[in-house]
Amino acid sequence: GAVVSQHPSRVICKSGTSVKIECRSLDFQATTMFWYRQFPKQSLMLMATSNEGSKATYEQGVEKDKFLINHASLTLSTLTVTSAHPEDSSFYICSVRGRDEKLFFGSGTQLSVL
Amino acid sequence: GQQLNQSPQSMFIQEGEDVSMNCTSSSIFNTWLWYKQDPGEGPVLLIALYKAGELTSNGRLTAQFGITRKDSFLNISASIPSDVGIYFCAGQSNSGYALNFGKGTSLLVTP
Repeated sequence: GAVVSQHPSRVICKSGTSVKIECRSLDFQATTMFWYRQFPKQSLMLMATSNEGSKATYEQGVEKDKFLINHASLTLSTLTVTSAHPEDSSFYICSVRGRDEKLFFGSGTQLSVL
Repeated sequence: GQQLNQSPQSMFIQEGEDVSMNCTSSSIFNTWLWYKQDPGEGPVLLIALYKAGELTSNGRLTAQFGITRKDSFLNISASIPSDVGIYFCAGQSNSGYALNFGKGTSLLVTP
């Protein structure tokens, strides 16, 4: 499997500020990581695919200038929510594809924008 | 990505009962996975299925990959209170691609 660490677990910020979320693959070098968003009582929706050393691939409807993804190393991908607004409040989860092709998830980050 | 049809949406059962939930898709998937999510946590992988017709068990959990590759079910036998949570099915079209998730089945188990 793969151990995935996500930080922070919870963040509260003022509207207009930027928030960075980190996703680390602790025991596996991940060339690809995925970022999901989950609104209350809803399913996980893919936001973007993070590729090490290249630009992220965003799903339709996800603003790449608002959700900045950096995958600078094989063990770290970051998601920055820029100029956050209350409608960005959500549960953000990263996932890593392990050696056996299974996807393992981080523990998630609950973002609340006031 | 495509969203899967997962049912039932919620279940309220007594401890000891068996549970069954399923997912269907209009598209073919090469991999089906089942996850459990507790409140405020990320999903935890329960079972992964890689071949049509495959039947796999993990303790009291059993899942099958449908022959048509468009459906899968998860059974939980002799449920216990710690089975409470939201169960998601997920399908993957090709290796390396992201997952498409079902809407989840919320399971409540009373002692």
